Amino acid sequence: QQQVKQSPQSLIVQKGGISIINCAYENTAFDYFPWYQQFPGKGPALLIAIRPDVSEKKEGRFTISFNKSAKQFSLHIMDSQPGDSATYFCAASMKTSGSRLTFGEGTQLTVNP
Amino acid sequence: GAVVSQHPSWVICKSGTSVKIECRSLDFQATTMFWYRQFPKQSLMLMATSNEGSKATYEQGVEKDKFLINHASLTLSTLTVTSAHPEDSSFYICSARTFDEQFFGPGTRLTVL
Repeated sequence: QQQVKQSPQSLIVQKGGISIINCAYENTAFDYFPWYQQFPGKGPALLIAIRPDVSEKKEGRFTISFNKSAKQFSLHIMDSQPGDSATYFCAASMKTSGSRLTFGEGTQLTVNP
Repeated sequence: GAVVSQHPSWVICKSGTSVKIECRSLDFQATTMFWYRQFPKQSLMLMATSNEGSKATYEQGVEKDKFLINHASLTLSTLTVTSAHPEDSSFYICSARTFDEQFFGPGTRLTVL
């Protein structure tokens, strides 16, 4: 019940295209859903996050779509750029567990020029 | 955004020695810090939760006597890998929590010869 399933494992997109990464969770007690971006040899960086009372959140080229009934959320990267090439992790947490993050398996995104 | 630093960024040591890794929140106070371990091309694995002024809470399967965690102040947590062996070689990442968000350090690459 603590798992977060992420897909796809890897994704190749052309420059200017839309990158879409999906995550699904089981535990309905999760109340915070962040996305992290990680470059090789670096720590993850918080990209964007959403709470279950909102169905969509947009920050620049990054959008989270959240479907509470389906227990799914996704990251959309519009106008993908080669500099977006990185590993993306979705995660989920709940206040009652001290905000411990449960991570997805990660998606290796490659944006070709 | 909030900044978390780690020191050292990389360390090479001989088998049997102990290594200390520092994690600092530079511009905010963190009552809770987390320590993760990450193997190549894998997700982050939570090792322990560190609360200021109290004992750390370790995840199942993590040896508390091998991975000593001290959270001495609201801005500093340390992880000491005692009697390190080659199988302890990994990328260690800390994070610091403010409200619901976690901000990650840049990571420490540990190589045990």
